[in-house]
Amino acid sequence: DQQVKQNSPSLSVQEGRISILNCDYTNSMFDYFLWYKKYPAEGPTFLISISSIKDKNEDGRFTVFLNKSAKHLSLHIVPSQPGDSAVYFCAATETSGSRLTFGEGTQLTVNP
Amino acid sequence: DAMVIQNPRYQVTQFGKPVTLSCSQTLNHNVMYWYQQKSSQAPKLLFHYYDKDFNNEADTPDNFQSRRPNTSFCFLDIRSPGLGDAAMYLCATSDHNEQFFGPGTRLTVL
Repeated sequence: DQQVKQNSPSLSVQEGRISILNCDYTNSMFDYFLWYKKYPAEGPTFLISISSIKDKNEDGRFTVFLNKSAKHLSLHIVPSQPGDSAVYFCAATETSGSRLTFGEGTQLTVNP
Repeated sequence: DAMVIQNPRYQVTQFGKPVTLSCSQTLNHNVMYWYQQKSSQAPKLLFHYYDKDFNNEADTPDNFQSRRPNTSFCFLDIRSPGLGDAAMYLCATSDHNEQFFGPGTRLTVL
């Protein structure tokens, strides 16, 4: 039972354009969502998060949008840079618990 | 710098030969996790410790064991590795919702 799904295994964009990575979840108990970025041969690194009391959180070039009614979140990267090329994982949790549930990841490639 | 350290980064073992992966942290977080990640898949939680309290995931095979002798260290023991256990093993720590990951240990089983 895949509670967090990233339906696009890969995404390719041109440098300077917007990258939009999507994530869907099924568990209505999830109330905190995170995005992680992973380079090859490294562990995931935390990028940005959002609580269910918000619908948007912005940090520099990165913005996460949450649509609770659709159980959908997205990560926007503007402008995209070649150094953003990595695998991006969406993760979700209940703030009362300590377990993260991850999606399968999306490989983002930003072409110069 | 506060961090999560995993040793070794690459481990090769033989089919059925026990292997131990180690993780240490300087963040002083009370929760530590072990994940297994295979190519193109989501990291899969094997177990976690809340302080000394061990929490095993229901579908984690008995072949996988863990020890946490103190706050800073956590070990993953694979008693009889099979070919299907070849994967990246990730250690993470947290004190709230955000988890901090180590670089991982890539396990190869021959």
